[in-house]
Amino acid sequence: QLQLQESGPGLMKPSETLSLTCTVSADSFSSGSYYWGWVRQTPGRRLEWIATIYFSGTTYYNPSLKSRVTMSVDTVRNQFSLRLTSVTAADTAVYYCARQGRSRGSVSYFDSWGRGTLVTVSS
Amino acid sequence: IVLTQSPATLSLSPGEKATLSCWASQSVGNNLAWYQQRPGQAPRLLIYDVSSRAAGIPARFSASGSGTDFTLTISSLEPEDFAVYYCQQRSNWHTFGQGTNLEIK
Repeated sequence: QLQLQESGPGLMKPSETLSLTCTVSADSFSSGSYYWGWVRQTPGRRLEWIATIYFSGTTYYNPSLKSRVTMSVDTVRNQFSLRLTSVTAADTAVYYCARQGRSRGSVSYFDSWGRGTLVTVSS
Repeated sequence: IVLTQSPATLSLSPGEKATLSCWASQSVGNNLAWYQQRPGQAPRLLIYDVSSRAAGIPARFSASGSGTDFTLTISSLEPEDFAVYYCQQRSNWHTFGQGTNLEIK
């Protein structure tokens, strides 16, 4: 049974850098059959894709966040991580990590999700 | 690509049929999925590639469409179906619709 677990700081101040880690409990993490992504949900319930990574380290970033986002992967620990710099109140959201399928050689849908972690940015 | 869902809120009773719509600002081909989100839970993949049900999804959920117009249908609502539903496209990066809140009438 695949499980994804996010970990993060909870409360942050404006201008700080957000670091999140997702731990995956599955042997398939480095199999090459999946991608791994981050999605956030704002207090207004809007869902926004942030970034995606392949086990090889290839990354894909949302163009609207690309200048502030970095993803990395640790295949030894079955983890992938997200860094978001210069946070503001607009970055307040529940952050989900998720597995994405691989279809026709490209990144597919989000087929398994973590429970999410709330990140609040406030001075 | 902007996805617009309609209606924002749908009020129905158990046993009734639900029809939810999703429009794309440009063609997404068949690269569209639907998710269900119950209160306090993460979204769950229901439908992918317009009309294919994900593993474990009941047959009362069906979907159709192509290009820019898509529909999710729940044939006979069960109590656990009252939730928020999102469409998502993967044709050009990944974007989500704003959601339809399916509530008990």
